[in-house]
Amino acid sequence: ETGVTQTPRHLVMGMTNKKSLKCEQHLGHNAMYWYKQSAKKPLELMFVYSLEERVENNSVPSRFSPECPNSSHLFLHLHTLQPEDSALYLCASSQDPAQTYGYTFGSGTRLTVV
Amino acid sequence: ILNVEQSPQSLHVQEGDSTNFTCSFPSSNFYALHWYRWETAKSPEALFVMTLNGDEKKKGRISATLNTKEGYSYLYIKGSQPEDSATYLCAFNDYKLSFGAGTTVTVRA
Repeated sequence: ETGVTQTPRHLVMGMTNKKSLKCEQHLGHNAMYWYKQSAKKPLELMFVYSLEERVENNSVPSRFSPECPNSSHLFLHLHTLQPEDSALYLCASSQDPAQTYGYTFGSGTRLTVV
Repeated sequence: ILNVEQSPQSLHVQEGDSTNFTCSFPSSNFYALHWYRWETAKSPEALFVMTLNGDEKKKGRISATLNTKEGYSYLYIKGSQPEDSATYLCAFNDYKLSFGAGTTVTVRA
C-alpha cells in the first residue's frame, strides 16, 4: 500500500449521474493534487490544495468540483460528465507544495462515462 | 503548459542488457526534475528528485543524470530484469509538476 488510498478503483457513470472520488493520506503531507490521465497523454494537473486551500485550478470545467475538508482527505465531485471525461484520475500528496521530495500517488480511479 | 518530452515512447530490452532513455525540458526557471516508475495496475513510485546541474542519482541498478543548462536528463537501467518493465515518467518542477508522456520499457526474459 502506497500511503495514498483512492476509492473507488473503478467507476462507471451515466452523463446525468453525480458521483464522488475519494482520496485519503495519513502521511502528514501538506499538499494534495488531482491529476487526470487520458489515453496516450501525459498526466494533466487538475487541482492543487495546500494546507486545505485550493491554490491551483488548471482551467478545469465546473462539472469537476474538488473538496478538501482536512489535510488528509481530498474529494473530486463529478456531475453531468461527458464521455470524453473517461480517464484515469490520480490523487497524489507531497510534503510541501514545491514538491521538493516528490509525490506519493494513489492507484487511481478508472472512470468510464457512458 | 510546459513542454516535457520523453524519448523513445517505448522500448524493448533483452534481460541482462542495459538501456537508457531521455527526458528533455525547458532550461529556464528550473527548480527540480522528478523521475517516477509506474508499473501496470500500481501507483507511480518516486525514483529520484534532482535539483543540481550535474546531479547523478542511483537506486540499485537504476541511475539518472541531469543537465539543467541544456535541459535534459537520462535514466539508465543496468542489467535489465523483467521486474524493471514499467513506464518511466519524468516531471519538470517550476513550482508545479509538468509530466512527460513517459517511456514504456518492456524487458524480455
